[in-house]
Amino acid sequence: SAVISQKPSRDICQRGTSLTIQCQVDSQVTMMFWYRQQPGQSLTLIATANQGSEATYESGFVIDKFPISRPNLTFSTLTVSNMSPEDSSIYLCSVEDGFFGPGTRLTVL
Amino acid sequence: DQQVKQNSPSLSVQEGRISILNCDYTNSMFDYFLWYKKYPAEGPTFLISISSIKDKNEDGRFTVFLNKSAKHLSLHIVPSQPGDSAVYFCAAFTQGGSEKLVFGKGTKLTVNP
Repeated sequence: SAVISQKPSRDICQRGTSLTIQCQVDSQVTMMFWYRQQPGQSLTLIATANQGSEATYESGFVIDKFPISRPNLTFSTLTVSNMSPEDSSIYLCSVEDGFFGPGTRLTVL
Repeated sequence: DQQVKQNSPSLSVQEGRISILNCDYTNSMFDYFLWYKKYPAEGPTFLISISSIKDKNEDGRFTVFLNKSAKHLSLHIVPSQPGDSAVYFCAAFTQGGSEKLVFGKGTKLTVNP
């Protein structure tokens, strides 16, 4: 199974700022996924990130708000832009075989 | 439209007894199902999976049963241990499709000593 790490593990941010979350995998993977888990809710897929192509966003999520980079087969970033308190969530990356990173706990004040 | 449903938000069992977590799905295209365990402030941990060509898969204390005609699966944990206390998510996807996992809302299991 892939070993997945995320940075930062947690952060507290001010409204209107942006935060970039990094996801590093110890092996090459074709597909990486970004999820959000809002308090008391299930995991919701934000977008699918394939290397060499634009990310594919799920309904309700847009590139301007959640820009994603996928520069190579082991790394991806998710940026949460112009944050509001409603963006306070755990953000998780996942790879194609269903394994998840440890998550990034974001609190927006 | 919730394609994967876990109708019990919580479950409490005694240590040593069986825990049964249930999951229903509506999309008949789903052909692979997974169970995850999640502790607070951690990412989900894969527990066990089952393909639609099977009706049962067992791994140690964990067994998953799949009833395709009822679009229902369940996770059995026996014997339950206090360390099993966590939120359990059921997930499904279509192999050879978009590979996107669809999650249920989770069931919080509490195993009492």
